[in-house]
Parts: sequence; structure tokens; C-alpha cells
Amino acid sequence: NAGVMQNPRHLVRRRGQEARLRCSPMKGHSHVYWYRQLPEEGLKFMVYLQKENIIDESGMPKERFSAEFPKEGPSILRIQQVVRGDSAAYFCASSPLGRSTGELFFGEGSRLTVL
Amino acid sequence: ILNVEQSPQSLHVQEGDSTNFTCSFPSSNFYALHWYRWETAKSPEALFVMTLNGDEKKKGRISATLNTKEGYSYLYIKGSQPEDSATYLCAWISGGSYIPTFGRGTSLIVHP
Repeated sequence: NAGVMQNPRHLVRRRGQEARLRCSPMKGHSHVYWYRQLPEEGLKFMVYLQKENIIDESGMPKERFSAEFPKEGPSILRIQQVVRGDSAAYFCASSPLGRSTGELFFGEGSRLTVL
Repeated sequence: ILNVEQSPQSLHVQEGDSTNFTCSFPSSNFYALHWYRWETAKSPEALFVMTLNGDEKKKGRISATLNTKEGYSYLYIKGSQPEDSATYLCAWISGGSYIPTFGRGTSLIVHP
């Protein structure tokens, strides 16, 4: 499967634990976007990364959230000390070029439930 | 806050009906507009990428138009089929951030 791969698909955490969500972009894509979908809401932009660089993190909460996209390996969205309000579906999308008009290719999402 | 609005929020039609829905976006600093189709339990898939005012795109029974000056795009489905049931998302890309900003989508249900 050459598509965007996200794992885990489902993650359950207790309040105060850490959540790590991984995204492997499509082969040849070096640009990754993370979006969050809260219940009954649309896709909200969180962060845009290129290999080894955070390009735009204007949608990322200032505390507890961080993202990286290392030279090797998947992009990781990390949420520290999770709270119930973090329960959401987190979607990753990739594209081959930044600042292009081209479409995004999405993964199937990671659904985080915080107990 | 620069919003992308989609209407209606949901739509129920009978098989064979033609339907259309709207995406409204800021008319300033336009760069591109995307339409995506999102089936339940799957990931969003691109339908159209539109960049020029007056653009019309077509894929089978689905077509889209773009008016960047007034800030709207229409998606049309001709002769709806049950397999067209999905949420249709639009995403506006500004020339400032180049980040796709999504609307909340229109949920279409086509009844046999």
C-alpha cells in the first residue's frame, strides 16, 4: 500500500498520559500536514512540516503538543499529559511539493480517546 | 478568522436526483480551491483542484465551478447514485499561508 499510513488507528489513554501518533507519507512526499477533527467539527489545521523542519505550526496548541518529521522515519505528533478535550481524530496528509496547488493525500486517521 | 463555509450541512436526495452544494471562501488572496470526497471510515480523496476564476472541472457525473472574485464554488452531482453518499469537503488555500483551510463539509445521503 503506497498510501499515507497512520498508526495507531485507535489509541486510548488516561488523563495525564502521553499520546504519540505516527504518519508515514506517500513515497516521494516530503511535506506533511496534521489536522484534528473534534466531534461534530470539521478538519482543523494543526501543523505543516517538511523533512526536519516545522514550516507552520500556527494551529498547534502552545502547550503539550509537538510535532516532528525527521530525516528518516515517520512524522510524529506528540501530545503530553493528555486531557479529555484532546479526544479527537487526528489526520495526516502529505504532498510532494510545498506551496503547490496540488491535492493532499490523506491517511485514515488516528482516533484518540482520553478516559 | 478567515472562514470557509459550506452549505447545506446535510442533504438527503433520492437516487436519480441532481444536486448541488456551495463552498464560500474569502475572495482576497486566493491561491487554490480543492474539493474532496470523504466516505465513512475512509480517508478524504481529492476530486478537483481549481485555481483560475471561471474554472469548470468535471469527473463523470460530478462537476465543479469556481468564482474567485465573489468567493464561491459549486459542486454539482448529476443523477445521484447511492454510492455518491459521502461528505464533500472544500478546502481554500490562500496565497499567504498556502495552508488548506477546510469547510465543515456537506453530508450527502442518496436513498435508493
